[in-house]
Amino acid sequence: AQKITQTQPGMFVQEKEAVTLDCTYDTSDQSYGLFWYKQPSSGEMIFLIYQGSYDEQNATEGRYSLNFQKARKSANLVISASQLGDSAMYFCAMGAGRRALTFGSGTRLQVQP
Amino acid sequence: EPEVTQTPSHQVTQMGQEVILRCVPISNHLYFYWYRQILGQKVEFLVSFYNNEISEKSEIFDDQFSVERPDGSNFTLKIRSTKLEDSAMYFCASSVSRGRDQPQHFGDGTRLSIL
Repeated sequence: AQKITQTQPGMFVQEKEAVTLDCTYDTSDQSYGLFWYKQPSSGEMIFLIYQGSYDEQNATEGRYSLNFQKARKSANLVISASQLGDSAMYFCAMGAGRRALTFGSGTRLQVQP
Repeated sequence: EPEVTQTPSHQVTQMGQEVILRCVPISNHLYFYWYRQILGQKVEFLVSFYNNEISEKSEIFDDQFSVERPDGSNFTLKIRSTKLEDSAMYFCASSVSRGRDQPQHFGDGTRLSIL
C-alpha cells in the first residue's frame, strides 16, 4: 500500500520569499513517481512538477523545485520568490506502476504581501 | 495547450436521481481516470479505464457507479440513485500511459451537489 503524508495543514509566506512544503511517503515499490499539484480556490488541479524514484537530479520547473531525499522518503516542494498567485492548496501525490495516484491531505499556502 | 474538459462545471441533483458527468480527455491520451474530492478532504481515486475497460477501481467505486467511453472522445461517469454523501468535486484525468513518469492531467472538475 502507498501512503502520502503532508504534515502542514497551512503555511504562510511573505511575498518574494521561498517556502518549502513537506511531503513524506511510504511505499514498498522500487519504482515510483512523485507529483505535486496546485489547487487554487477555483477548484481545478494543476500539475506542477514530477520526480521519478530513479532520477538522480532533483526536478525543477521554473520557480518550483522538488527536494527529493529517497533515503528519508521525502519529496518536498520548494517555491522560490513566492507570488500572491501562489496562494492555493498544494497536494503531493504518488504513482507507481499500474496504480492510480495516491494523494496527501494537502497544504494550504497563503502568500502575504 | 491541450486540456481535459469536464461538463457541467456544477450539477445539482435530487437525492435518488441518476447523474452523468462528462469528460473529454486529451486527444492522444490512452488512460482515463475519475477521482473525487469531498469538500475539505483529500483527492480519492475512483476508477481507471484503458482500452474500453476498467483497469483498476477503488472500494468507493461500487455498483452505484459506472464508466463508459461512448465514442472516440467522451468519457463518462454515471452515478445511479445518488446519495447525499456523493456530494463532492469529481475530477477526470488522463495520461498518455500508466508509466510512473507520466503525469495525469486533470480537468477543472464537476462540483456535484446532492439535495
